[in-house]
Amino acid sequence: NAGVTQTPKFRVLKTGQSMTLLCAQDMNHEYMYWYRQDPGMGLRLIHYSVGEGTTAKGEVPDGYNVSRLKKQNFLLGLESAAPSQTSVYFCASSPLGPGQFYGYTFGSGTRLTVV
Amino acid sequence: DAKTTQPTSMDCAEGRAANLPCNHSTISGNEYVYWYRQIHSQGPQYIIHGLKNNETNEMASLIITEDRKSSTLILPHATLRDTAVYYCIALDTGTASKLTFGTGTRLQVTL
Repeated sequence: NAGVTQTPKFRVLKTGQSMTLLCAQDMNHEYMYWYRQDPGMGLRLIHYSVGEGTTAKGEVPDGYNVSRLKKQNFLLGLESAAPSQTSVYFCASSPLGPGQFYGYTFGSGTRLTVV
Repeated sequence: DAKTTQPTSMDCAEGRAANLPCNHSTISGNEYVYWYRQIHSQGPQYIIHGLKNNETNEMASLIITEDRKSSTLILPHATLRDTAVYYCIALDTGTASKLTFGTGTRLQVTL
């Protein structure tokens, strides 16, 4: 039972390159989220999904795209990486419904550096 | 979701109780109080949540005032491993679909 798995754990990109971060969960959770965390700051929501085939914008969506083609996977794409996107990216998942809401499960993070 | 206010940092001696306060004076009747913590470089970890009654689990206790305008997270016997940033979040689980994190309280447990 792995919980939430993020790949890769580390990545260095050159400005303008593209990449996709993968988040996979094995808990059958409906909701999935992508956050970023810059040094000394709290987490900021990029995009989220309330179920397979759905996505929605969070607080800081610009420069990112997401897809949720399968319930267990949530992909975060950077089309043209910029140094401002250097950050630690966290994925999380949670069960559906207020009565079942017992907290998010977070992955261990992806540390991305854009040079 | 209601805004929460926490002290920026706190210290606690190992073995003593750590009491982390949180103000949420505009909290509505449907909003729960959630606590998470983030140990250095790791993903946040769920600790506890409550609506109006005090709650306790194996990690911590949550004390919510009767008017629900503030709460306190209690770690009864803090250890060095409890050094982390602690986030207090007010959330209406009936309508909200996402957590919003502030900057939290940095708890330093010392020998």
